Order: sequence, then structure tokens, then C-alpha cells
Amino acid sequence: QKEVEQNSGPLSVPEGAIASLNCTYSDRGSQSFFWYRQYSGKSPELIMSIYSNGDKEDGRFTAQLNKASQYVSLLIRDSQPSDSATYLCAVNSGVEGWGKLQFGAGTQVVVTP
Amino acid sequence: KAGVTQTPRYLIKTRGQQVTLSCSPISGHRSVSWYQQTPGQGLQFLFEYFSETQRNKGNFPGRFSGRQFSNSRSEMNVSTLELGDSALYLCATGLSTGELFFGEGSRLTVL
Repeated sequence: QKEVEQNSGPLSVPEGAIASLNCTYSDRGSQSFFWYRQYSGKSPELIMSIYSNGDKEDGRFTAQLNKASQYVSLLIRDSQPSDSATYLCAVNSGVEGWGKLQFGAGTQVVVTP
Repeated sequence: KAGVTQTPRYLIKTRGQQVTLSCSPISGHRSVSWYQQTPGQGLQFLFEYFSETQRNKGNFPGRFSGRQFSNSRSEMNVSTLELGDSALYLCATGLSTGELFFGEGSRLTVL
């Protein structure tokens, strides 16, 4: 059973601080990794994708991938109350077509003013 | 550029009935995937269609089925509804990068 694991939280972060979210996956052959943000009552929104080891930065978001450790993380810098949401880690094995993602249960982030 | 459109947004059915949900992908996206989201199980993959062919299927019973039309629009059907089928059904479309873009979902309540 291929698994994607995340801490469920809630992760409480003061406004302006860095939020650090972690995700581990079991399928060593996984090729593509994604972070989605989901506000309560809304659908998931893609915020980051990463395909190779290292860091990828996009605005206040940085994704980090370490395939050897089967670990992917997301950093949110200068956290804002609008960042309060559930963050979902998703993994694609790369061998079954790009439409099949394995999702973690999500980490709830609460940014406090 | 229009996003993924799902209809209906909300629906209420009773046990034993069947339901059909529709998804119109982003223009140019030929892959359409369906996911079920529940509080207990999270986001689970149902199936993926590409060029009118089912390319992948998740671990759901045969009551869950789908199809894709030549214009890439997709429908999913759930027959003989059970209480446990109450969920948010999400359609996602994407390109070969693997980045998927979700519609707003169809929230199904089974009474």
C-alpha cells in the first residue's frame, strides 16, 4: 500500500513567522510531488510542484525534496492569516499516468495575528 | 482561461438511487481524473480518463463508473447509492507535467 504521511496538525504559526510542513512517502519510485492548499469548504488549489532533489522557491513558498529520504517539505515564509488552510501533499508514481495522485491526509495550518 | 467546471454543485439523493456528475476540463486538457473526498478517508483517487479511455482506476466498487467524451468532457456515475457515498466529488484536469487543477466539486448527500 503506497502511502503519503503528513502531520495532521493543527500547526499554529504566529503571523510573520515561518510555517514548516513535512511529508513522507513510501513509494521510492515516485517522480512528481505537489503541494495543494485547501480552504474550508473549497477545492484543493495547486501551490507548488517539484520534480528533482533540492529547493524550489515561488514567492513566499519553498518546496524541498529529498528522494533518498523520501521526504518533501513546504516552507511558508512571512505567514499571513490568509495562509490558514489545510495543506495537502500529493505524490505521483510516474508510471500510472499523470492523473493519479496519492494524497496525504493534510496538515491544518492556523496563522494567528 | 476558464477553469474546470463541475455540475451540479450540490445534490441530495436517497439510498438506492443513482447519480451522474459532470466535468468540463480546462481547454486543451485531455486528462480528466475523479477523486472522492470525505472527512474520514481524505482525498481518494477514483479513476482517470484520457482520450476517451480509462487509464487508471482506484479501489472503488463497480458501482462507481465514468466515461469521457470526444470533447474531453467527462461524467461519473454512482449507482445504488449508499450512505457512505456522501462526499465531495472532485474532478481534476491536467497536462503531462502532472500538475492537476481541480474543479469546485460536487457535494453529494445521500439520505
